[in-house]
Parts: sequence; structure tokens; C-alpha cells
Amino acid sequence: EVQLAESGGGLVQPGGSLRLSCAASGFTFAGSAMTWVRQAPGKGLEWVSTITDSGDRTNYADSVRGRFTASRDGSKSALYLQMSGLRAEDTAVYYCVKGGWSGVMDVWGKGTTVTVSS
Amino acid sequence: EIVLTQSPATLSLSPGERATLSCRASQSVSNYLAWYQQRPGQAPRLLIYDASNTATGIPARFSGSGSATDFTLTISSLEPEDFAVYYCQQRSSWPRTFGQGTKVEIK
Repeated sequence: EVQLAESGGGLVQPGGSLRLSCAASGFTFAGSAMTWVRQAPGKGLEWVSTITDSGDRTNYADSVRGRFTASRDGSKSALYLQMSGLRAEDTAVYYCVKGGWSGVMDVWGKGTTVTVSS
Repeated sequence: EIVLTQSPATLSLSPGERATLSCRASQSVSNYLAWYQQRPGQAPRLLIYDASNTATGIPARFSGSGSATDFTLTISSLEPEDFAVYYCQQRSSWPRTFGQGTKVEIK
């Protein structure tokens, strides 16, 4: 069974940093692009970033470009999102999603909550 | 950026009724459109991909149609577990975008 488990969320002050992790299992991680999607409280879904299966290319939403960096470690079947310069508007549940580069985003993790507040 | 506009914002129906949800793109996305269901407190779940293909494990009452700029998600007969929010999403171009969602609520 494909499983994605996010971790690393929490409360952080504006301007601070946080690293999210996503542990993947049940599929060939090295063969799949991976995506981060977020959802602010009471709002809709917002695409954040996608990284290729090899990790050689990434794409970012304008709202996070230059502040967030997606990466992956194939040896650990793990996806990461390094977030810096955090703002109140980054407050959201962050989902790790399988796929999304040339293919569909097909499996979602349960999400981890990031709250940016002083 | 491709803007996806979903209508209606809210659909009030009774169990057993047919639901028809619309998603309109600001420019052609070919057939690169997916539909997701999100129940309260849960992560989204893929229902339909590439406009009309049903994802694994999704009941046959869910179907998708359309191409280019106009797409439809149909639920043939609503079950209690189908009352949720539905999002469309395109993967035709960057940035990937979602519609604002349609909430299907119990009438």
C-alpha cells in the first residue's frame, strides 16, 4: 500500500524557518515525482512545489519561490521542504503528494500543520 | 497562469440524487484535468484523472467528462459519504492550479 507520512510541522515565528519531511513507502520512490500542496485554514488547495523523480528539477509557486526549497533523499525514500522567511500567510496544512511532474498527483499524505505566528 | 473556475460553489442535494459539478479553464488544458474529493478533516483523494479516467478504487457512480476548457464531474446517485468538497486541478502547464472547490451538502 502506498503511504506518505508528513512530519515537522509546528508553530514558528514570522521570519523563521522550518523543515518538513515526508516518509514514503509502498512504491518505487526513485521513480516518482513528488509534490507539496498546502491548504490554509478554511481555504482551498494551493500547489506549492514539485520535484522530479531524480531531483534534478523543481518548480515552485510564485508565493514561495526564493523562500522554500524542495529536495529528496532516495536512500531514505524521503521528501523535504525547507521553508525560510516564513510569513503568516504560509500558515496551512502541508500535504505531501505522489506524482505531479508529468503525471497526475495520485496519492496524498495526511498532512502536517504549520502555524506562523508571534 | 491557468485559472480554474468551479460552479456552483455549493450544491444542495439529497441522497440518491444526481450531482453535476462544473470546472471551466481560462485556457485549454487539453484533457489534463483531475478531480479530487475532500471530506471534512481528511486529505484530498483522487477521483478522476485525465478528464475521464476513474482512479483505482473509486466507485462507478463517479464519472468525468470534457476537454479543452469545459469539464464535468458527475455523481450518478449520491451516497451519504459523497457529501464533501470537490476540487478540479490542471497539469497542463506551470504553475499547477486548483479550482476553488464545490461543496456538495445535504439538502
